[in-house]
Amino acid sequence: SAVISQKPSRDICQRGTSLTIQCQVDSQVTMMFWYRQQPGQSLTLIATANQGSEATYESGFVIDKFPISRPNLTFSTLTVSNMSPEDSSIYLCSVVGGSQNEQFFGPGTRLTVL
Amino acid sequence: GIQVEQSPPDLILQEGANSTLRCNFSDSVNNLQWFHQNPWGQLINLFYIPSGTKQNGRLSATTVATERYSLLYISSSQTTDSGVYFCAVVKLAETSGSRLTFGEGTQLTVNP
Repeated sequence: SAVISQKPSRDICQRGTSLTIQCQVDSQVTMMFWYRQQPGQSLTLIATANQGSEATYESGFVIDKFPISRPNLTFSTLTVSNMSPEDSSIYLCSVVGGSQNEQFFGPGTRLTVL
Repeated sequence: GIQVEQSPPDLILQEGANSTLRCNFSDSVNNLQWFHQNPWGQLINLFYIPSGTKQNGRLSATTVATERYSLLYISSSQTTDSGVYFCAVVKLAETSGSRLTFGEGTQLTVNP
């Protein structure tokens, strides 16, 4: 399975600011995703990070709020823009790997917006 | 989109007890995974099981794809089993690749 790291692991931010989260994978992967987990909730897919092209966003998520970069097959960033307390969540990246197209998750970034 | 329902939402056990967690899904799937989210938020892969039965130590899982449900069995539970258990699926013929849809999870507490 792929080894996935995220930076930062946690942060406390002021409303109105932006935070960029990094996701690094130890091997090249075709498919990479970003999920959000609000407090006490399940995981919701934000977008699919496409290498070399614009990300594909799920209903309810827009590029202006969650811009995503995917410059190569091992790295992606998610920016949470103009943050409000409602953006306080765990943000997780995931990749598809292995012989079964199993999905693996990074350790997550725990964001608190004051 | 596909619906994923997990039951029970909460489960409290004494150490050593056995339990069964259930996941129902509303459409045919080509991927079903069980995860354990530990108290630090890390999602740990338990099983990739779109059909059939698998076992890994004290844990086993069965998916009956034709009846659209999966079961996760935990035997001889330990306090370290505590956390949230998620079932997640990818709808068959999903045109967007491997987009996982998660259930709401089962919060398991194992008391010593």
